[in-house]
Amino acid sequence: DTGVSQNPRHKITKRGQNVTFRCDPISEHNRLYWYRQTLGQGPEFLTYFQNEAQLEKSRLLSDRFSAERPKGSFSTLEIQRTEQGDSAMYLCASSSHREGYGYTFGSGTRLTVV
Amino acid sequence: QKEVEQDPGPLSVPEGAIVSLNCTYSNSAFQYFMWYRQYSRKGPELLMYTYSSGNKEDGRFTAQVDKSSKYISLFIRDSQPSDSATYLCAMSTNAGGTSYGKLTFGQGTILTVHP
Repeated sequence: DTGVSQNPRHKITKRGQNVTFRCDPISEHNRLYWYRQTLGQGPEFLTYFQNEAQLEKSRLLSDRFSAERPKGSFSTLEIQRTEQGDSAMYLCASSSHREGYGYTFGSGTRLTVV
Repeated sequence: QKEVEQDPGPLSVPEGAIVSLNCTYSNSAFQYFMWYRQYSRKGPELLMYTYSSGNKEDGRFTAQVDKSSKYISLFIRDSQPSDSATYLCAMSTNAGGTSYGKLTFGQGTILTVHP
């Protein structure tokens, strides 16, 4: 297993378009997290899955954002009607229940909305 | 006021220097304290993890937690150019087990170690 994989690495989109990102966690990890990181800031929590269940969503996650984790494997994060303020690095991380604090992060998807 | 405050720097030191990085926090429920390192265009990677107050050492890295002052530190001894990165403190009210350990990060300190 090569770690947490995120695709695409970069995405440039026009304002108003929809975008979807994919995260493939470490295979034995049942917990999956999405964070958002803007320039000069630390990552901010967006949402959390345990297996296929989405157990918490941050207030940062507006109605334009939706995340899924079908069958408890990979996860997708969709942003509808993108805005310039959505430009950020979107980070996915995974962990097992034995290492709840020891996240493994992916390299992120950098979104630029023009 | 943010729950976790971290001096963003940037911090520039010569090779071999001792580096001190710090965070303060306001939420007394935080029990688990972590330091992550993030290289450019990469995701954060876990460096150190501590629980409650005290010191923890791992090679050239020492993490300190003072819960009474709500203050944590990371010291890097004999700093190397390869240590140049952004250092993020992170905290959690729980570490997993019955819950999931959502992390609250500081804004990161940019460190450059020059030869």
